[in-house]
Amino acid sequence: SQTIHQWPATLVQPVGSPLSLECTVEGTSNPNLYWYRQAAGRGLQLLFYSVGIGQISSEVPQNLSASRPQDRQFILSSKKLLLSDSGFYLCACFGTVTGANSPLHFGNGTRLTVT
Amino acid sequence: GQNIDQPTEMTATEGAIVQINCTYQTSGFNGLFWYQQHAGEAPTFLSYNVLDGLEEKGRFSSFLSRSKGYSYLLLKELQMKDSASYLCAVRDRWGDDKIIFGKGTRLHILP
Repeated sequence: SQTIHQWPATLVQPVGSPLSLECTVEGTSNPNLYWYRQAAGRGLQLLFYSVGIGQISSEVPQNLSASRPQDRQFILSSKKLLLSDSGFYLCACFGTVTGANSPLHFGNGTRLTVT
Repeated sequence: GQNIDQPTEMTATEGAIVQINCTYQTSGFNGLFWYQQHAGEAPTFLSYNVLDGLEEKGRFSSFLSRSKGYSYLLLKELQMKDSASYLCAVRDRWGDDKIIFGKGTRLHILP
């Protein structure tokens, strides 16, 4: 089965500092990968998704960016964090396991607080 | 455009049945997910409907009508641990497998 590694679990960063969140996936190949953000008490907002290496689609224009340097690696970055970037960041994977579509699996998330 | 609607909050009694509805309007459709999310945790998968009809998994069932852009999640024999948010999400194949979530329904279970 698929395993999604996401770290760190919690992060406190000052306004204006850079950000790099990494997500790696095991147990599948050529998956679709997603970054979501969830503000406190709110739904999941799709930030970026990728259907292959180097292929990134952005949903919401903002000061965040994403990269996919390897098939099972998805990175979320920012050069300068804003207070509004605080939230719960979730990496998710939708791939094929033994030829059948598997559900969208989530990592455990990173809770980011920008101070 | 894309739009996924579900009620913001619902309340039900332990042991009862509750139905959480989800309506959607998307440019393409290739399946609908339901997830459960407890506060502070990542969502956990409940169901994935691609074809019309009802799918049952223990106490939870999910229904889909593609022609009506409608789904529901049915929870039976409610337990206190079912208090959580329930998220509806649509896989939009038209947009390179974009998966969009509704804002979630917070379910409160009363003893």
